[in-house]
Amino acid sequence: KAGVTQTPRYLIKTRGQQVTLSCSPISGHRSVSWYQQTPGQGLQFLFEYFSETQRNKGNFPGRFSGRQFSNSRSEMNVSTLELGDSALYLCASSQGTGRSGYTFGSGTRLTVV
Amino acid sequence: GENVEQHPSTLSVQEGDSAVIKCTYSDSASNYFPWYKQELGKRPQLIIDIRSNVGEKKDQRIAVTLNKTAKHFSLHITETQPEDSAVYFCAAHAGGAQKLVFGQGTRLTINP
Repeated sequence: KAGVTQTPRYLIKTRGQQVTLSCSPISGHRSVSWYQQTPGQGLQFLFEYFSETQRNKGNFPGRFSGRQFSNSRSEMNVSTLELGDSALYLCASSQGTGRSGYTFGSGTRLTVV
Repeated sequence: GENVEQHPSTLSVQEGDSAVIKCTYSDSASNYFPWYKQELGKRPQLIIDIRSNVGEKKDQRIAVTLNKTAKHFSLHITETQPEDSAVYFCAAHAGGAQKLVFGQGTRLTINP
């Protein structure tokens, strides 16, 4: 079956702009969670969506937001980009029941200049 | 909140030797502990996982042990090969929180 698809793979944005990233989970998976990966902070949890509802949110400013659609695809948005937002953004797909593992997408590499 | 500590941050072993990476977690409600391998420029890939009702799990050269009382779990790789070189992450998952909390990662290098 198809894996987790993230688009785009690479993005270069200017400070102050906003960006939208997309994640399509494995077919049948209803949970999508997002993580930020940086060399200094490692993998940090952003938020998790299940059946179009945000169930949990990490410690990130309100500039980071997300949503999930009825087909389980999810988007995350970062507004007013800062240099420190440069990172690899990974989404993870799971059944969301706590009984299955998490499968990661290849990520979107965001560079803010 | 949940915190996961991972050691060592770097590990270098000779090909054929064993490698051990250790993690401790803080939240006693954590019930699922996966290990991911991430090669340069690639996605984290699940290599093995263990649930809180199991003490040990093995899959060929890879094994994971869990000590719930001490709140620590370890990854063991035997007969290491050059393709085992990567960054390894441990994580803890509390079912109620529906999120993974990751350790800082271990860069494993296998020397031929």
